[in-house]
Amino acid sequence: ETGVTQSPTHLIKTRGQQVTLRCSSQSGHNTVSWYQQALGQGPQFIFQYYREEENGRGNFPPRFSGLQFPNYSSELNVNALELDDSALYLCASSLGSSRFYEQYFGPGTRLTVT
Amino acid sequence: AQTVTQSQPEMSVQEAETVTLSCTYDTSESDYYLFWYKQPPSRQMILVIRQEAYKQQNATENRFSVNFQKAAKSFSLKISDSQLGDAAMYFCAFIIQGAQKLVFGQGTRLTINP
Repeated sequence: ETGVTQSPTHLIKTRGQQVTLRCSSQSGHNTVSWYQQALGQGPQFIFQYYREEENGRGNFPPRFSGLQFPNYSSELNVNALELDDSALYLCASSLGSSRFYEQYFGPGTRLTVT
Repeated sequence: AQTVTQSQPEMSVQEAETVTLSCTYDTSESDYYLFWYKQPPSRQMILVIRQEAYKQQNATENRFSVNFQKAAKSFSLKISDSQLGDAAMYFCAFIIQGAQKLVFGQGTRLTINP
């Protein structure tokens, strides 16, 4: 069974640029959730994708957007990067609407905005 | 509002001793799940233990156990026979049944002294 993977591991961007982060869900899981973890803080929910549709969103502006593909992998896109977007971005996969509570996390992508 | 409070930013314990990490939460819902996650320097969020709110019996996983007090909205984690590999950030979190997002606390950094 393949666990949750994320790419890239680290990246550095300049303010105003755009970035795409990728997540492959655990085998058999059809739901991906994205979280932002600022330094020294707990993760904050960005949004969730279930069967290729957005299924819930946290308090993040529209410049945070996502996609889920037919194989249930997912992308997080952030436009017009700001310094405060520097954080660890975690994705988590789960199995279906009855098991949203059981989320398995990937290793994260560390984004630095300069 | 749904919130989680971890009042101990840092804790330390001698190897082989017992330590308890505190967590309180706030929700008006009655059906939810509570979790303790461990985040080592590798950054991956690892599930330590889960408690269903409808269960009165406290969950136990090997050296890890919880004290769940639903009326007090308290969910503490006890680690027995602490090992060096237990050193990490520990996050308390909960999710409402059927909801999408995990709500995390700010974390407690646990240090194990040899």
